[in-house]
Amino acid sequence: ETGVTQSPTHLIKTRGQQVTLRCSSQSGHNTVSWYQQALGQGPQFIFQYYREEENGRGNFPPRFSGLQFPNYSSELNVNALELDDSALYLCASSSWPKTYEQYFGPGTRLTVT
Amino acid sequence: DAKTTQPNSMESNEEEPVHLPCNHSTISGTDYIHWYRQLPSQGPEYVIHGLTSNVNNRMASLAIAEDRKSSTLILHRATLRDAAVYYCILSPNAGNMLTFGGGTRLMVKP
Repeated sequence: ETGVTQSPTHLIKTRGQQVTLRCSSQSGHNTVSWYQQALGQGPQFIFQYYREEENGRGNFPPRFSGLQFPNYSSELNVNALELDDSALYLCASSSWPKTYEQYFGPGTRLTVT
Repeated sequence: DAKTTQPNSMESNEEEPVHLPCNHSTISGTDYIHWYRQLPSQGPEYVIHGLTSNVNNRMASLAIAEDRKSSTLILHRATLRDAAVYYCILSPNAGNMLTFGGGTRLMVKP
């Protein structure tokens, strides 16, 4: 059973640029959630995808967008990067309706300079 | 959203039980109580969840107060590997969209 994988591991971008982060779900999982974790804080929910549709969204602006593909992998896109976007971005997969048990990837560390 | 309150940090000795408290006085009737933990340099890991009754699994036990305004995560025998930040989370959708707070940093001494 393959776990949740994310790429890239680390990324450095300049303010104003755009970034795409990728996530492969655990085998058999059909739901993907994305979280942002600033240094020293708990993860904050960005959005969730189920059957390629956005299924819920946290308090993040529209410049945070996502996609889920037919194989249940997912992308997180962030436009017009700001310094405060520097964080660890975590992807979690689960199997609807058992979304109480989410499996997290190791995350992508994004630094915006 | 209902909030949780946890101590910032706790210490435990290896091979002793650990009781991690969580207060959630504004919990609603449909809120589930979830516990996740995050080991250093890793993503969070599901530990356990419950609604009203106490729950046990291979990792831990969850004791829920009768009025549901507090709960306790119990690790029966702490190991060094249990050193992590433990998050207590309330969710109205059985874990659909999790809002993590600050958590409790558990340190385990050999």
